[in-house]
Amino acid sequence: GAGVSQSPSNKVTEKGKDVELRCDPISGHTALYWYRQSLGQGLEFLIYFQGNSAPDKSGLPSDRFSAERTGGSVSTLTIQRTQQEDSAVYLCASSLWQGSAQPQHFGDGTRLSIL
Amino acid sequence: SQQGEEDPQALSIQEGENATMNCSYKTSINNLQWYRQNSGRGLVHLILIRSNEREKHSGRLRVTLDTSKKSSSLLITASRAADTASYFCATDAAAGGTSYGKLTFGQGTILTVHP
Repeated sequence: GAGVSQSPSNKVTEKGKDVELRCDPISGHTALYWYRQSLGQGLEFLIYFQGNSAPDKSGLPSDRFSAERTGGSVSTLTIQRTQQEDSAVYLCASSLWQGSAQPQHFGDGTRLSIL
Repeated sequence: SQQGEEDPQALSIQEGENATMNCSYKTSINNLQWYRQNSGRGLVHLILIRSNEREKHSGRLRVTLDTSKKSSSLLITASRAADTASYFCATDAAAGGTSYGKLTFGQGTILTVHP
């Protein structure tokens, strides 16, 4: 079946603009995760969804970052007033349900470049 | 700080040789997972080992876990050029409550297998 789909695959935008990144998880997967991968920081957890609720937003770097999930499926990560340090690859993953011992299935990411 | 630290940072070997990568972590864990990432792609789950397991095999992969030393190793036997990728360990910390699969990743080992 289809894997995790992320769009756009690449995004170049000017500093100060807002961007919206989309994640379409594997059908039936109730848990959804956003991570950020950058050269300096490696892979960092951003936010987790179980269904439509986000019990853990602890990884969001600032209040410019927000995310939502609707219908227990598609999720969008929004970055407002982008800064150059937001440049990174944003990865989305889903798993069948929340909890330990669940392998996470990753999309290929959105490569975000802030000019 | 990174929960998982990996060594070596880079490993270059010939096809047919074995590759060993190590991961150390800082806190108690529920489980430890290994992922592979090909250039420009998302992460692919390889194997999961629970905190009460010491060794696990999957095809050419062998993972060990030593919770007393807070370390794990991934062995790839009879390596192939197609194994060229970055390899990450990821831990799911045992926070005392319900685990929901928030993963903390190491910095990764870049493996190059020469034909």
